[in-house]
Amino acid sequence: DTGVSQDPRHKITKRGQNVTFRCDPISEHNRLYWYRQTLGQGPEFLTYFQNEAQLEKSRLLSDRFSAERPKGSFSTLEIQRTEQGDSAMYLCASNHQLTGPDTQYFGPGTRLTVL
Amino acid sequence: GIQVEQSPPDLILQEGANSTLRCNFSDSVNNLQWFHQNPWGQLINLFYIPSGTKQNGRLSATTVATERYSLLYISSSQTTDSGVYFCAPTNDYKLSFGAGTTVTVRA
Repeated sequence: DTGVSQDPRHKITKRGQNVTFRCDPISEHNRLYWYRQTLGQGPEFLTYFQNEAQLEKSRLLSDRFSAERPKGSFSTLEIQRTEQGDSAMYLCASNHQLTGPDTQYFGPGTRLTVL
Repeated sequence: GIQVEQSPPDLILQEGANSTLRCNFSDSVNNLQWFHQNPWGQLINLFYIPSGTKQNGRLSATTVATERYSLLYISSSQTTDSGVYFCAPTNDYKLSFGAGTTVTVRA
């Protein structure tokens, strides 16, 4: 069983550019989560999908951020008009609603640097 | 969300030493996970422990949900134990992370 994968692993961009990250969850996991981790802090919840439905968005997710999971499998997180404050590690996690235990498994993350 | 306090913030150990990391949380929880974050940023699952005690090799964890704390024990520490340890409780599905305990094990 392969783990959660994320692409790219690193992204350097200039302020004002748009970026898109991809997350592939563990197969058959119907729940997918995005978290953001800044330097020296623990991860913070951004948003969550159950199948293709986005069920919650944190207030951290400004209108420049959008996430999709169109077929209930992989997910994308897009940041428009990036700002230096968006520099962080973006982590994806997955689990299944019904199969226990209720453990979230994390991918390796995408490290974003906005210059 | 749930407020999480982890202590100590930093811990330096000599190889072979034992240690205890503490996690206090502000609300009742139905799930609590402990993670080890390696130097490349990968969060590695250590325990799923909403209550009780579990052991996995040199690591063990105890959660006392009624008193809102969890403990992670590291015995006979090795240099590969270095990294940041996070506890992450939840009472719905969103994990709430503390700031972590940074452990450095010296040979």
